[in-house]
This record gives sequence, structure tokens and C-alpha cells, in this order.
Amino acid sequence: DAKTTQPPSMDCAEGRAANLPCNHSTISGNEYVYWYRQIHSQGPQYIIHGLKNNETNEMASLIITEDRKSSTLILPHATLRDTAVYYCIVRPNDMRFGAGTRLTVKP
Amino acid sequence: KAGVTQTPRYLIKTRGQQVTLSCSPISGHRSVSWYQQTPGQGLQFLFEYFSETQRNKGNFPGRFSGRQFSNSRSEMNVSTLELGDSALYLCASSLALPEQFFGPGTRLTVL
Repeated sequence: DAKTTQPPSMDCAEGRAANLPCNHSTISGNEYVYWYRQIHSQGPQYIIHGLKNNETNEMASLIITEDRKSSTLILPHATLRDTAVYYCIVRPNDMRFGAGTRLTVKP
Repeated sequence: KAGVTQTPRYLIKTRGQQVTLSCSPISGHRSVSWYQQTPGQGLQFLFEYFSETQRNKGNFPGRFSGRQFSNSRSEMNVSTLELGDSALYLCASSLALPEQFFGPGTRLTVL
């Protein structure tokens, strides 16, 4: 099994912030937390990554807890096009993906 | 810069046949990883190649094999196809792990 656990599904209203949690309690000191998303059978798309500090880019923000055992991906203003499966993974020691969270953004 | 390309995009085979899928990574990327995606099992890691050497391997039977050429292009081969091998096969390239760039995938249907 992958080293991360995520809720299987979440809903979010359009225009609201989507907060996607991820647990990675066995993460090692040299491992990064990466987030990808996959829109309807396209290849997964990189979103953001971090080691221990919070990170922000044009797509999202990543909040990592101080103990690094969990993180939250934040899409500040979700749109219908953000409907996708979101994967939280740890790298580089683990090449696996978990089942991800299916986020549905509703009008 | 061109993205990751995979050929063919769609493929139909029958049980017992073998198939070869191809992946051309982003120029300059030396790491290529392969994944199988099915509705029931999600995204499963097959193997990763770096500079023509297999560096990581997932938990798949020996019917699944791969190789990487000196130009970093990679091929994946599945022998003695089974119905359960029907899936989307994704290739990802990396300049240096851990960030990966995925191709559009090859959808294999086994009849």
C-alpha cells in the first residue's frame, strides 16, 4: 500500500476553497510531499510539492503540519474544471500512488 | 519543449497475444516510469528506468517487462495477455525524481 491515506471523495461548491487532507504518518526525513491531479483519464498533472514549509503557487497552496505527518492541499477558489482525482504522494523513496480523493466541484 | 508522447494511444489485442508500448520522454529527461491504471486498482507502479537501467520495480508478474534505450525512449512489453491487463498505461518522465511529467497514456483493451 502507498504511504499516504486520503478520503475517497469530497464535494466543494464553486468559488469556495477546497481543502484536501492527506495523512503520511510514516514519511521519512528526506521525503517530499507531492500533489498531482488527474482529470478524466488524462495523465496526472503536477500541482505542488513541499518538504516542511508551506508552499504556494499559481494553482494551489500546500500546508504541511510541523510534525510532517499530514498535509492539506488548498484550492482557494475552486472551479468546475478543478473536478478531478487528487493524489497525495511521497517522493522520492516511494513510486506508488494511492487511491486519491475524487473532488467534485458543484455549481 | 514537447511533452511526453506515448504510442499507440489505443490498442486492441486478444488473450494470449503480446504487446509493446512506446514512450518518448521530454528531451533531456533520463528517468522513465510506467504505471498501469484500472478502475478497480487505481494507479499502480510498474517500473522505473534511468539511463537504460531498471532502478525501481513494482509488484507485477514477469509478463510485464520494459527497457530503455540510449536516447531515453522506453518500451514496455506485456506477454501472454490476460483480460485483466486491459488498462490505461501511463508513462512519466523526470529530469530528476521526484517530479514527474505524465504522457496521455495508451489504452489497451484485451478481448
